[in-house]
Amino acid sequence: GIQVEQSPPDLILQEGANSTLRCNFSDSVNNLQWFHQNPWGQLINLFYIPSGTKQNGRLSATTVATERYSLLYISSSQTTDSGVYFCAVPSGGSYIPTFGRGTSLIVHP
Amino acid sequence: DAGITQSPRHKVTETGTPVTLRCHQTENHRYMYWYRQDPGHGLRLIHYSYGVKDTDKGEVSDGYSVSRSKTEDFLLTLESATSSQTSVYFCAISETGVGVNSPLHFGNGTRLTVT
Repeated sequence: GIQVEQSPPDLILQEGANSTLRCNFSDSVNNLQWFHQNPWGQLINLFYIPSGTKQNGRLSATTVATERYSLLYISSSQTTDSGVYFCAVPSGGSYIPTFGRGTSLIVHP
Repeated sequence: DAGITQSPRHKVTETGTPVTLRCHQTENHRYMYWYRQDPGHGLRLIHYSYGVKDTDKGEVSDGYSVSRSKTEDFLLTLESATSSQTSVYFCAISETGVGVNSPLHFGNGTRLTVT
């Protein structure tokens, strides 16, 4: 099946800093999602981004499907950004999403 | 937010007892999924459903069964719970299956402890 790798595994920031999270995948995909799991355990959709760039406030994401990676940018980080960020891709044409292990982000005030 | 309700939210049970977790959706989505989340393992698929009475196994299906008798409900059953099944269980839905431009949405999870 498809392999999904996220980096870095852990990230610690001071409030106000910017960061870039990366998701690499081993096969071609026709969609990709980014999720944020908050400290209460809820999994929140951030982006559905098969290709190109999308922005939502301080967050933006870029997927380069031909090079098999996606980037999540967080600008001017806030303590509420803390949590774990996951990317998920389907395996080829299947309906089974495969998740990376996540990036754990802690933002200190 | 997608209308997904998982019940119960928390459960403590003893080894060897049967347990059923329920996922209820109000979105009329075709695909439903059960995941478990454990430290160091991320999210792993247990079973999924692509329609009423149509289900298939995921990567960690041993010890679990599922049923879907109505579009809106997807049940996960542990026939005889073991301590290794202590985990947080998430239900997810997608409209047409995530391989065809259909985002995945998650419920809030069920924390299960098997003593």
